Amino acid sequence: GAVVSQHPSRVICKSGTSVKIECRSLDFQATTMFWYRQFPKQSLMLMATSNEGSKATYEQGVEKDKFLINHASLTLSTLTVTSAHPEDSSFYICSAPGPGETQYFGPGTRLLVL
Amino acid sequence: SQKIEQNSEALNIQEGKTATLTCNYTNYSPAYLQWYRQDPGRGPVFLLLIRENEKEKRKERLKVTFDTTLKQSLFHITASQPADSATYLCAPSKAAGNKLTFGGGTRVLVKP
Repeated sequence: GAVVSQHPSRVICKSGTSVKIECRSLDFQATTMFWYRQFPKQSLMLMATSNEGSKATYEQGVEKDKFLINHASLTLSTLTVTSAHPEDSSFYICSAPGPGETQYFGPGTRLLVL
Repeated sequence: SQKIEQNSEALNIQEGKTATLTCNYTNYSPAYLQWYRQDPGRGPVFLLLIRENEKEKRKERLKVTFDTTLKQSLFHITASQPADSATYLCAPSKAAGNKLTFGGGTRVLVKP
């Protein structure tokens, strides 16, 4: 079946630094990918829609200058958390619509900002 | 704005019994409703999709119903097993490939 990977799976960084998270569709192409954030004991919250060849679309309340999204190719989207702070610590998950009308989710990236 | 509600309390169930989860939505008329399973520290995994013109969908021990009048979907796990223990998320949407808005999820714990 379709697979979406994320890298890294876990990252720890110092406050004020930037962190890049990659999301790849391994065996299918995705012109659109989605980025979600999940805090402990909460559900996934959509942050933005990543569009290949055009600007990302951000959900209300998500700072586009803080969460930079680049959809470099039909199989790769990156999320960069700029000037990360402890409150950005969360579980970041990407997804892509794939075969069979469903969304395929990556395994997630755990970000801890010290 | 649209609202999606799932039982926030964990569902504890004995192995072999049927678990029934509820997903209610308001201010929304989705054409699709999807159910996902999420294990701790993992991304969601797709389970079932049901369309607005379908009343029921089955896959192995799973069954989903979709009542557009009640604005509700029920998710059943029959002959439950400890391996079914996870959080189950519902996500109504206008189109299958669209961005998803999830309910809060219901945690299921199947005891042997």
